[in-house]
Amino acid sequence: GESVGLHLPTLSVQEGDNSIINCAYSNSASDYFIWYKQESGKGPQFIIDIRSNMDKRQGQRVTVLLNKTVKHLSLQIAATQPGDSAVYFCAENPRTGKLIFGQGTTLQVKP
Amino acid sequence: ETGVTQTPRHLVMGMTNKKSLKCEQHLGHNAMYWYKQSAKKPLELMFVYNFKEQTENNSVPSRFSPECPNSSHLFLHLHTLQPEDSALYLCASSQITDRGQAFFGQGTRLTVV
Repeated sequence: GESVGLHLPTLSVQEGDNSIINCAYSNSASDYFIWYKQESGKGPQFIIDIRSNMDKRQGQRVTVLLNKTVKHLSLQIAATQPGDSAVYFCAENPRTGKLIFGQGTTLQVKP
Repeated sequence: ETGVTQTPRHLVMGMTNKKSLKCEQHLGHNAMYWYKQSAKKPLELMFVYNFKEQTENNSVPSRFSPECPNSSHLFLHLHTLQPEDSALYLCASSQITDRGQAFFGQGTRLTVV
């Protein structure tokens, strides 16, 4: 069946370093991908998205890379801050219109 | 604030109780969703409503009963739940024609005792 997965359940980085969170997806027909951030006690919040006609998209301190050849998605966070500590989910929105989520990576930022 | 409001934020209920979760969106979206989030698991899609019509039920037990009276409101009626139903229940909305991002509420933390 369809699935979206993340490679590591937990990622620990030093404050100020760059973080890279990875995600593998299985549905080659998916044409839209989203990264969400979920802080403790809150619902998932949109960070950045990318459509399949692009391979890179940049936001404020965040960059999403899409490699359709190997069905891989990554989220790069520059100069990671304590406020970036959260669980990060990738999701694909295939042509069915519903979101399929991965399991999430917990980002821990060490001061 | 995401424009999606869920109440209550926390709920403790016994296995014989009946309760309802409420979701309201102020974004003008035409699709609403219920997700279940359990520890160590991906978000599980439970129900989808497009233009107030239920279009998906992901094999959810009948002890969960959704209701969508209009495109801005979504309810999840709960009865005779089991302890394993304890989880964070998230409501989301989107503009279905865009196939874009979904906006989530803060969730209701449900504990079944």
